[in-house]
Amino acid sequence: SQTIHQWPATLVQPVGSPLSLECTVEGTSNPNLYWYRQAAGRGLQLLFYSIGIDQISSEVPQNLSASRPQDRQFILSSKKLLLSDSGFYLCAWSDRLTYGYTFGSGTRLTVV
Amino acid sequence: AQSVTQPDIHITVSEGASLELRCNYSYGATPYLFWYVQSPGQGLQLLLKYFSGDTLVQGIKGFEAEFKRSQSSFNLRKPSVHWSDAAEYFCAVGAVSGGYNKLIFGAGTRLAVHP
Repeated sequence: SQTIHQWPATLVQPVGSPLSLECTVEGTSNPNLYWYRQAAGRGLQLLFYSIGIDQISSEVPQNLSASRPQDRQFILSSKKLLLSDSGFYLCAWSDRLTYGYTFGSGTRLTVV
Repeated sequence: AQSVTQPDIHITVSEGASLELRCNYSYGATPYLFWYVQSPGQGLQLLLKYFSGDTLVQGIKGFEAEFKRSQSSFNLRKPSVHWSDAAEYFCAVGAVSGGYNKLIFGAGTRLAVHP
């Protein structure tokens, strides 16, 4: 069966520090991968999606970037965090047959 | 452009009462529709989905949803709510394009259940 792993679960980082959140999927190949952000009391905003290795599309301009160095690995990064980057970050994958998303357990990022 | 509206930000029901969470979507073609549930501090779990066919869709945990094209709605229902159903619920519409499915989520409805 397919599983998705996301880490770390929580992270407190100072303003201006770098960020690296990692997401990996097991049990499937060539998944579509997504990064969403959920700000407090708000819905989910799609940040990035990827349909293949090194194929990244950005939905909104921001201080973050994404990379997909391997088929089942998706990384969310920042060189210098801003206070506004705080939020709950969710990774998800989908396949080309069912198109439903399976979400990771999320990372709570607090920038201080 | 695709969009999803969940008119109710917060809903409170008594345990054992029936529940209906509203969802309206905007999409030019036949949509793919989803309902997800999120417990505090957790990821999202798929409750049910509609792609085509029977407009009444059964999901996990006793939930169902009905697709009404004429009303552009996909409301979630449960006949008898349990205290464990307290969570945030998200409706989403998806469009397949270029081999991927981009889901657009509503802002969510937070459900509280009174004993």
